[in-house]
Formats: sequence, structure tokens, C-alpha cells
Amino acid sequence: NAGVTQTPKFRVLKTGQSMTLLCAQDMNHEYMYWYRQDPGMGLRLIHYSVGEGTTAKGEVPDGYNVSRLKKQNFLLGLESAAPSQTSVYFCASSRGLAGGLSTDTQYFGPGTRLTVL
Amino acid sequence: QKEVEQDPGPLSVPEGAIVSLNCTYSNSAFQYFMWYRQYSRKGPELLMYTYSSGNKEDGRFTAQVDKSSKYISLFIRDSQPSDSATYLCAMSADAGGTSYGKLTFGQGTILTVHP
Repeated sequence: NAGVTQTPKFRVLKTGQSMTLLCAQDMNHEYMYWYRQDPGMGLRLIHYSVGEGTTAKGEVPDGYNVSRLKKQNFLLGLESAAPSQTSVYFCASSRGLAGGLSTDTQYFGPGTRLTVL
Repeated sequence: QKEVEQDPGPLSVPEGAIVSLNCTYSNSAFQYFMWYRQYSRKGPELLMYTYSSGNKEDGRFTAQVDKSSKYISLFIRDSQPSDSATYLCAMSADAGGTSYGKLTFGQGTILTVHP
């Protein structure tokens, strides 16, 4: 049981390049989340999904797109990377309402360190 | 003003000390309160989970919630070097499930426990 995994672990991009971050979970969780973590800012929610085929905006969605075509995967895309998107990105998942409570333990992946030059 | 405020520290204490970590918040709808621990270059992991006001104890850790003051605390007794990490408070309002488990995090407090 790997839990939540993220690919890649590190990436360096040039301004304007695009990339996709992959999150995978093997816990059959309904809810999945993408966060970014910056010094002094804590974790901020980018986008989230409450089930396969659904996505919604979080606190800081601009410049990012997401897709959840399969229940176990949640993809985060940067279409045209900017230096302001230099950050550590974390994916998380939780059981959702299937666990009886929508506010349930979130399990985090190890993170992706992204630098945009 | 941020919805959740947490002193980022850093906080440095000797082994065996009692550590007090705190968060204040402004949203009275928050009713689920969590503390996550994050080791360097790792993802956060849930440490404590509390619903509404009151205390919860788990080994050397005690979480307190005072909703009337909009203030939560995490106490670590007999702190150990292995407790050195960033501690993040997180909160959620769950109005019939419509919050979808979304959490609002504090900035995190960096704690170092030196031998």
C-alpha cells in the first residue's frame, strides 16, 4: 500500500514551458486535493476533486488546470509556467463522504519541488 | 488578514521542555481542528484531530480548542529531538458536507528540539 505518490519529485522549468504533475492514490479515496506550499504562507489549496470526473477551484487556482479522469489519479497542469509558480506542490486525498464525514483525515504525498526560471 | 494565524517561529527548545504551539482564527464556522506535523522535505501527516471545543490527549501531545476565543493550542510534553519539525494547524467547517473537507492551514511553526 503506497498511499499517495507524486511524480516527478523535482523539476526545473523555463518561463512559458508547460508540465503536468501526477498524483496517484491506492486507498480508493473519493476526495483529492492539490496544494502549494511557500515559505511563510502555509499550504494553500489550488484545486480539488470530490470524485472521478469532477474538479473545483480552491483558493489559488489561477495558472493551473486539473483533471481527474480516473478515481485514483489527479493531474495538475501548468500551461505556461511563471516564476511565481516556483513552489513545493503537495497532493492529498481523503475518504470523503464515503467515510461518513466530509472533513476526514487528509493523506499527503511527498511533494514535488518545482523551480521556474 | 488571514483566516488562520500561526506564529512561524522558529522555536528552539532544549530536550525535555514543554512546547506550546498556537493558532488563532477568525472564521466562526470552523468546527474541526487539526494539527499536522511535517518533517523536512516530507509531506504533512496528521498528528491530532479535534471536533469543537475541549481537550484531547494522545501520549505526549495535547490539543486544546477554545472556540469562544477562536484559539487552538498544541502542547508537547517531554519534547524530544525527534519532535523537530514544522507544525501546521488546520481547520475546516463542515456544513452538511458542503465544505468537501477543504482545510485552511496556518503558516506553520518550525520547531527544533536540541539535545
